[in-house]
Amino acid sequence: AQSVTQPDIHITVSEGASLELRCNYSYGATPYLFWYVQSPGQGLQLLLKYFSGDTLVQGIKGFEAEFKRSQSSFNLRKPSVHWSDAAEYFCAVGLMEYGNKLVFGAGTILRVKS
Amino acid sequence: EPEVTQTPSHQVTQMGQEVILRCVPISNHLYFYWYRQILGQKVEFLVSFYNNEISEKSEIFDDQFSVERPDGSNFTLKIRSTKLEDSAMYFCASTQGEGTEAFFGQGTRLTVV
Repeated sequence: AQSVTQPDIHITVSEGASLELRCNYSYGATPYLFWYVQSPGQGLQLLLKYFSGDTLVQGIKGFEAEFKRSQSSFNLRKPSVHWSDAAEYFCAVGLMEYGNKLVFGAGTILRVKS
Repeated sequence: EPEVTQTPSHQVTQMGQEVILRCVPISNHLYFYWYRQILGQKVEFLVSFYNNEISEKSEIFDDQFSVERPDGSNFTLKIRSTKLEDSAMYFCASTQGEGTEAFFGQGTRLTVV
């Protein structure tokens, strides 16, 4: 069955430090991959997406992610974290043969300390 | 920038009552979805809707749930007889088509008491 694993439930980084949030997926076909961010009480905002082509994708707010097929991973990175990046981050895989539905990971809560 | 709009933002209802959650997807989108997120848990797929019919649904989406696109702009989720465990944030989403990203609404927080 398709699944997405985000092994880190919580991560705390200092403001200005680099960030990497891990995501692994299980899916038989070529995946469509997404990272969404959710601030408390808010909806889901798309940070970036991978459909095909260059495996390093750039997103909004200075985030990037790298698709590694051999590792079934799509890790999210940011070189320098800002206090406003504190939120919950969700990795998702899009299943085109199942009505384009998204399967989400459990999320990683990012805390930023000053 | 076009956006998905959901109403109401909060709904409190008594157990056993019917609720209808409303969504206005982005106007040129073709696929519509409902997801839910129980507090502290992951976002779960409920149902997808395309060409005026359900294209996929999860095991959560039982006979108590239904969706409708009554007028070409609104997309509704009805829960016929709410249970305590239906308390969650419900997100509507839409996409233009295959291989495109989903845009999410701000969600409706449903509390069943």
